[in-house]
Amino acid sequence: NAGVTQTPKFHILKIGQSMTLQCTQDMNHNYMYWYRQDPGMGLKLIYYSVGAGITDKGEVPNGYNVSRSTTEDFPLRLELAAPSQTSVYFCASSNGGIQETQYFGPGTRLLVL
Amino acid sequence: DQQVKQNSPSLSVQEGRISILNCDYTNSMFDYFLWYKKYPAEGPTFLISISSIKDKNEDGRFTVFLNKSAKHLSLHIVPSQPGDSAVYFCAASAGSSASKIIFGSGTRLSIRP
Repeated sequence: NAGVTQTPKFHILKIGQSMTLQCTQDMNHNYMYWYRQDPGMGLKLIYYSVGAGITDKGEVPNGYNVSRSTTEDFPLRLELAAPSQTSVYFCASSNGGIQETQYFGPGTRLLVL
Repeated sequence: DQQVKQNSPSLSVQEGRISILNCDYTNSMFDYFLWYKKYPAEGPTFLISISSIKDKNEDGRFTVFLNKSAKHLSLHIVPSQPGDSAVYFCAASAGSSASKIIFGSGTRLSIRP
């Protein structure tokens, strides 16, 4: 099992551009999450999904969109990138709610200039 | 307003001794607490958790203590090993909803020989 994979590992984006961060898991988990981590800060939840076709906002959803057409994939879309979106993005998956262990991907480092 | 606080950004402990990482929270609705460990350039990995109905949970060298009246929890690592050098995040949740997990800012633990 590869677990949770994220692409790309690193990307530089210009202000106003758009891009999609990819996340795939092969553990057949229903729950998937997107977090961002700013320097010296904890992880903040952007969006999450409890199954294919179902998504909901987390703590910091503004400037992002998600979709969940399959169990395996949970892409995160950045529209009109801003410098404030410079961060490390982590995708995670789990079998259920918070009391189920979340398995994290290695992260995508995004720099918006 | 930080609901989960890790006031020590860093901690240095000698190999073989006890490491104690602290975490305070302000939201009395939190009823489930987790510790995650993170190595550089990797995603966080789950370490140990505790429900508010308990005041202690032990897993090998790792023990988490919860003091609900003080809204304080701590992670004890005994004995500390070089591989324990990492950033440790405390997290809390109110209920089973995934949107309510809140992370602290992390404590960087360094184990010196």
